[in-house]
Amino acid sequence: EAQVTQNPRYLITVTGKKLTVTCSQNMNHEYMSWYRQDPGLGLRQIYYSMNVEVTDKGDVPEGYKVSRKEKRNFPLILESPSPNQTSLYFCASIGRYEQFFGPGTRLTVL
Amino acid sequence: SQKIEQNSEALNIQEGKTATLTCNYTNYSPAYLQWYRQDPGRGPVFLLLIRENEKEKRKERLKVTFDTTLKQSLFHITASQPADSATYLCGGNYGQNFVFGPGTRLSVLP
Repeated sequence: EAQVTQNPRYLITVTGKKLTVTCSQNMNHEYMSWYRQDPGLGLRQIYYSMNVEVTDKGDVPEGYKVSRKEKRNFPLILESPSPNQTSLYFCASIGRYEQFFGPGTRLTVL
Repeated sequence: SQKIEQNSEALNIQEGKTATLTCNYTNYSPAYLQWYRQDPGRGPVFLLLIRENEKEKRKERLKVTFDTTLKQSLFHITASQPADSATYLCGGNYGQNFVFGPGTRLSVLP
């Protein structure tokens, strides 16, 4: 079954404590992306990756890092989380035209 | 920067009627527009794609149009059912970037 998995699904943390949200896909897609979703703002692209070792900034990259060492994995790293990064995060794996979204990670930064 | 607007935050319609959702973009036309359905607590699910040079696409009870003169896409659900109640997202592709609107929450009343 085509799938995008994210972990953890829920996370409450404190300001400044580094965290990583993992994302994995089983569709052999080259293109993957991270979004955050906030009320009234919709999905905003944080970072994307066109292939292994190729990443680029989206519209809201500040405060985030990514890496793409393997095709199937695309982790999102928050080196020093702040309360304004409290949001719902989605990873997407992009086929020819369709995006396959993960189930989401709800992050709260206190 | 590119912006996509969905001018109705919420739309209520009666079962059996046609729901029409609007998506407008600013500045440049995206290469293609995608429509997604999102249920509470879930990731968006792809519904339809329409390219810049296409006027209309259909899939079962769904129809999407693309008018580059008006800078607008319309998404129609005919013979709507309560099961169609969800948030619908419009997203545009600009090269490697995707820009989404904030979504329209559709409620189909029995």
